[in-house]
Amino acid sequence: GAGVSQSPSNKVTEKGKDVELRCDPISGHTALYWYRQSLGQGLEFLIYFQGNSAPDKSGLPSDRFSAERTGGSVSTLTIQRTQQEDSAVYLCACPSVSGANVLTFGAGSRLTVL
Amino acid sequence: AQSVAQPEDQVNVAEGNPLTVKCTYSVSGNPYLFWYVQYPNRGLQFLLKYITGDNLVKGSYGFEAEFNKSQTSFHLKKPSALVSDSALYFCAVRDDRGSTLGRLYFGRGTQLTVWP
Repeated sequence: GAGVSQSPSNKVTEKGKDVELRCDPISGHTALYWYRQSLGQGLEFLIYFQGNSAPDKSGLPSDRFSAERTGGSVSTLTIQRTQQEDSAVYLCACPSVSGANVLTFGAGSRLTVL
Repeated sequence: AQSVAQPEDQVNVAEGNPLTVKCTYSVSGNPYLFWYVQYPNRGLQFLLKYITGDNLVKGSYGFEAEFNKSQTSFHLKKPSALVSDSALYFCAVRDDRGSTLGRLYFGRGTQLTVWP
C-alpha cells in the first residue's frame, strides 16, 4: 500500500493487562520505526527495525515492552502488565516513497490504561 | 549525543502576520534537519527538510526554514500566517554518519495558534 496502517486506532485497557499494537507498513520498505507520543513529551523513539532485526531498541522504556517484525513487513509492539504511565499514542513510521530521509507516519494507536 | 530543543511550547500569532517557530539542535556530525506538522486528530506530516545545499529551504503550504550552522538553528517561518496553519509542529534531526535509515530525534513540539 501507499501508507502506514496501524491498529487498533484506540485501545482502552485495565492496568496489568497486556496489549498488542500492530503496524502494517509501506510495501517494500525494510526500515520501520516505533515512536511514542505522550502529552507534553513530544515524540519518544522506541525501536527501529531493519528487515526483521532490530539494530536499535534503546528507546524501549522497560522490559515490559517488546516488538517483533515478521516477513520484513508487519510489526507488533507488545506491552505487558500495562501501567497508567504507558498511556500515549504509539506511532509507527517508515521511509517515505519520496526518499529514505523522510518518514511517513501512521495515524497512531491511542492507548489508555485505566 | 543528538538532541533537539524547541524553546517555545506555544506560539500565538494573528492571521496575516509572519510566524516563526524556533528550533535548535545538537549533533556529532553534519545535521539532517526536518520539520513535521500534526494537525488535530491527524498523523504527522512531513513539511520540509535540510540535507545539504542552500541554507534556506522551502516546503509545503508556504513554509520555509533557514539552516544556521553557527547558531545550530533551523527555525521554521512563514511570511503570512493562516488560521489553518494552527497545529503542532515538531523539529527533528539526525546526523549524516552511519546508516541513512537511522533514527530521528524529535523536539517536544510547539503548538502554533493563529487567530483570525
